[in-house]
Amino acid sequence: SQQGEEDPQALSIQEGENATMNCSYKTSINNLQWYRQNSGRGLVHLILIRSNEREKHSGRLRVTLDTSKKSSSLLITASRAADTASYFCATGSNDYKLSFGAGTTVTVRA
Amino acid sequence: ETGVTQTPRHLVMGMTNKKSLKCEQHLGHNAMYWYKQSAKKPLELMFVYSLEERVENNSVPSRFSPECPNSSHLFLHLHTLQPEDSALYLCASSQDLGSLYEQYFGPGTRLTVT
Repeated sequence: SQQGEEDPQALSIQEGENATMNCSYKTSINNLQWYRQNSGRGLVHLILIRSNEREKHSGRLRVTLDTSKKSSSLLITASRAADTASYFCATGSNDYKLSFGAGTTVTVRA
Repeated sequence: ETGVTQTPRHLVMGMTNKKSLKCEQHLGHNAMYWYKQSAKKPLELMFVYSLEERVENNSVPSRFSPECPNSSHLFLHLHTLQPEDSALYLCASSQDLGSLYEQYFGPGTRLTVT
């Protein structure tokens, strides 16, 4: 069953700007992961944040997690054309499954 | 790339055909997954294997039949499919079974059922 739900569905920004997307979920989790998918390709893991963490950074990526609001955000700073992709959040619980959302499509304009 | 390969990349088949999708991982992982990705929908988990044993069969119609002959290879056998089965089929692997392990995805097979 779908757990994570991304918002917005689509985002268009100018190169150099920041992109922010959000993920909301319904039940308790033990971790949340973000993945990127370039057009027609597989998903690539970006970052994992555990339920006891509030913020995590990886290069130009910043992820926050607010378990009280059941939400997470992914910030991409100083965006580049190569960041054009779909971004998915996936929630993990105590079993082995990851539940993916439908994704946010990000377009970075040159 | 990610260490997970899938063949073929594109497949067009009629509803009466039988075909197979192949996935191979070169990462030494113990868990492998099949997902279905349809436009504007979340990824749907279809099957999960851990150490070559199936641990998940997520209410998938019997016209989809998985096979895992060893921990590096995963197949999805297709027969008498319906047009609504047209989608991108993604294979993934992870070090072990557990949601804390990141999953490594192959590029997918774009399936069109005519």
